[in-house]
Amino acid sequence: AQSVTQPDIHITVSEGASLELRCNYSYGATPYLFWYVQSPGQGLQLLLKYFSGDTLVQGIKGFEAEFKRSQSSFNLRKPSVHWSDAAEYFCAVGASYGGSQGNLIFGKGTKLSVKP
Amino acid sequence: EAQVTQNPRYLITVTGKKLTVTCSQNMNHEYMSWYRQDPGLGLRQIYYSMNVEVTDKGDVPEGYKVSRKEKRNFPLILESPSPNQTSLYFCASSLSGDGYTFGSGTRLTVV
Repeated sequence: AQSVTQPDIHITVSEGASLELRCNYSYGATPYLFWYVQSPGQGLQLLLKYFSGDTLVQGIKGFEAEFKRSQSSFNLRKPSVHWSDAAEYFCAVGASYGGSQGNLIFGKGTKLSVKP
Repeated sequence: EAQVTQNPRYLITVTGKKLTVTCSQNMNHEYMSWYRQDPGLGLRQIYYSMNVEVTDKGDVPEGYKVSRKEKRNFPLILESPSPNQTSLYFCASSLSGDGYTFGSGTRLTVV
């Protein structure tokens, strides 16, 4: 069964510093991988996704993520964090084929706080 | 505007009183899904649907029912709500399983 682990529950970074949020997944084949962001009191917004091809994917708001098959990881990065990036971030894994493509599994999330 | 619309946004009900949370999308998406979000547990999938009349269980389906009689609608039914179903619920839709668009959420309290 597929699963997602986000090892860090809460991370605090200073504004302007770089950011890396970790995500490890378990899946038997090549997965579809996603990062979502949830601002307080809001729904979830898709930041970026990986299906195949180039393992470094670019997303919205200056975020990028790198798929590393050998490490079963899909870490999210941003070179310079802004105060408005404070939110909760969720990594998710889905099937790349078949009827279970709708079965998207989420990690428990990493809450990001940004210090002035 | 392309969106997923859930109603109501907030609901307080009593144990055992049947309720339905509606979900509608205007993007002609094939896939729809319901999630619940609880502190420390992230989002857990309740049910998902690949098309009209085709649904499958997610990780936490007990106590919930769904139906997909039309492509745009995917209501979530709680036949006999219990306090442990107090949660924040999200409906989502996707064109082909390539990433969900989420609604704004429904905060349900069962007393």
